[in-house]
Amino acid sequence: GAVVSQHPSRVICKSGTSVKIECRSLDFQATTMFWYRQFPKQSLMLMATSNEGSKATYEQGVEKDKFLINHASLTLSTLTVTSAHPEDSSFYICSARDKEPGLEQYFGPGTRLTVT
Amino acid sequence: RKEVEQDPGPFNVPEGATVAFNCTYSNSASQSFFWYRQDCRKEPKLLMSVYSSGNEDGRFTAQLNRASQYISLLIRDSKLSDSATYLCVVNGAGNMLTFGGGTRLMVKP
Repeated sequence: GAVVSQHPSRVICKSGTSVKIECRSLDFQATTMFWYRQFPKQSLMLMATSNEGSKATYEQGVEKDKFLINHASLTLSTLTVTSAHPEDSSFYICSARDKEPGLEQYFGPGTRLTVT
Repeated sequence: RKEVEQDPGPFNVPEGATVAFNCTYSNSASQSFFWYRQDCRKEPKLLMSVYSSGNEDGRFTAQLNRASQYISLLIRDSKLSDSATYLCVVNGAGNMLTFGGGTRLMVKP
């Protein structure tokens, strides 16, 4: 089946530092990857859509200069949270859509970010 | 109005019970529908796609009513391991998947 990995699974950082999260599709090519954020007991919120070789499309209210997304290859997208603050603490999940037809998204295991 | 609406629950049911979840969506142009399952502090996993004719996968049955823009998931013979949050997912504007808020199920012994 389609496997998506995410690294790191958990990170604790100090306020003001930057954190990079990697999302990889392991056994398929993903022209499109998605980044979500989920606060405790809330639903998944789409942050941005990342297309290989082009700029990411951000959802309303998501600061593109704070959440830098790079999708350099068909199997890798990265999300960098710049100048992190405690309110950025959340569960960040990526997903990838196979380049073959079909709308199913396969999710990575998520990254739990805690900013102190 | 939210694009995809679900009753958040929780639904507390005994083992062996049958439980049904409903979901409504606002975009009448939506073409693809899914149920995902999310365990606590884990990522969502695809449970099943939902087809117009309805479909069944073991103890799980999904139904779609396009006229009412309504999707359902029926779980028969509930197991303890079915305890999770069930997410209704619809493809919305621009073929983007939109997630409902989820319905929490707790199966008790």
